[in-house]
Amino acid sequence: DIVMTQSPDSLAVSLGERATINCKSSQSVLDSSNNENYLTWYQQKPGQPPKRLIYWASTRESGVPDRFSGSGSGTDFTLTISSLQAEDVAVYYCHQFYSVPLTFGGGTKVELK
Amino acid sequence: EVQLVESGGDLVQPGGSLRLSCAASGFSITNYWMHWVRQVPGKGLVWVSRIKDDGTYGDSADSVKGRFSISRDNAKNTLYLQMNSLRAEDTAVYYCARDQRRTFDIWGRGTMVTVSS
Repeated sequence: DIVMTQSPDSLAVSLGERATINCKSSQSVLDSSNNENYLTWYQQKPGQPPKRLIYWASTRESGVPDRFSGSGSGTDFTLTISSLQAEDVAVYYCHQFYSVPLTFGGGTKVELK
Repeated sequence: EVQLVESGGDLVQPGGSLRLSCAASGFSITNYWMHWVRQVPGKGLVWVSRIKDDGTYGDSADSVKGRFSISRDNAKNTLYLQMNSLRAEDTAVYYCARDQRRTFDIWGRGTMVTVSS
């Protein structure tokens, strides 16, 4: 099984400041046949289902503000919120779709400082 | 509007059975693999099971293998999860999700399953 390790578990960021979340996979999630990383970032707010933010490591979902960006390849990935807004308070999960069983990171809780 | 709506969650005793449904609207599930993911309230996301677009193949996490069975009725635009021999550790919110090129683009709001005596 591919283990997804997120860091930190939580972080407190001031409004307008940058938030950076890391995700490391125990094996590469890069498909060399098409150069796609099967890594997705989701945002989940209390009482709501996860919402896709970034897929294939760096493709932003339509309608997601451009302050959200994803980067990385292979085994190391980052979700960056360039200027934190109040509505960004949530738990963020990374997810690998490279191999079954599909696995998720443990989540990173982003709060306001 | 494209959406998924789960139903069927309930309080059930250990060893009991339950069938969850996931009704799709705004699109045809015929073109998509579909999945179930669960989440213990306050905890992380755990993949449960998936089924191929035409229903000819499915697989599951080891934790539910032999107890849970995924199926679909494309004519009814509905996904199912038959859960047997339920255990306390199966207590969770169960989400269905659409697989679009190896990423979950659409999620339902979930249905709560509680296994307790």
